[in-house]
Amino acid sequence: AQSVTQLGSHVSVSEGALVLLRCNYSSSVPPYLFWYVQYPNQGLQLLLKYTTGATLVKGINGFEAEFKKSETSFHLTKPSAHMSDAAEYFCAVKGGGSYIPTFGRGTSLIVHP
Amino acid sequence: DGGITQSPKYLFRKEGQNVTLSCEQNLNHDAMYWYRQDPGQGLRLIYYSQIVNDFQKGDIAEGYSVSREKKESFPLTVTSAQKNPTAFYLCASSPTGGAIPDTQYFGPGTRLTVL
Repeated sequence: AQSVTQLGSHVSVSEGALVLLRCNYSSSVPPYLFWYVQYPNQGLQLLLKYTTGATLVKGINGFEAEFKKSETSFHLTKPSAHMSDAAEYFCAVKGGGSYIPTFGRGTSLIVHP
Repeated sequence: DGGITQSPKYLFRKEGQNVTLSCEQNLNHDAMYWYRQDPGQGLRLIYYSQIVNDFQKGDIAEGYSVSREKKESFPLTVTSAQKNPTAFYLCASSPTGGAIPDTQYFGPGTRLTVL
């Protein structure tokens, strides 16, 4: 079985501040982990994914995430928020042997000027 | 350009009517998926198909039906048996759909409203 928990349905930051979106997962086997972004009334777009190897993964738009097996976490960060980062962010897990990823409930990122 | 198209973008349905949502991809992907998105509930899987002429129920298949007669197309029918169909529907595809870290590519979505 696999599941994802995203802590905080809404995260609010000021422009230029650090962005931290939290994701914890459970999986009975080593997981594949994903972060997707969704802008209003659009589909999802991949930001980054972890498969194997280096645990710090860099993605598009300056985002990165670190896979921490001991903490079963895959938090998404960006050093400096831009207004254009305001969107919904989804973490997803796909356990080894599973054909279908499981998505978290999403975190809405709000960026204040 | 390669991608996934969904139509229509907005759809209104009267109670008791069946409606069909279109999803087409030209990415040559084997696997296709349908998700339902409601505020605060993330994405819930309705149906998925790993190959032409085959599809599987997801977590919330009741009241929905699909077909996969062509690799490029995976239409979703919302039947009158679906009690609360008002939602945002997303179609996605991935290269293989196997137990590997495939990236899913999403269409722009269809917003269905029942009047």
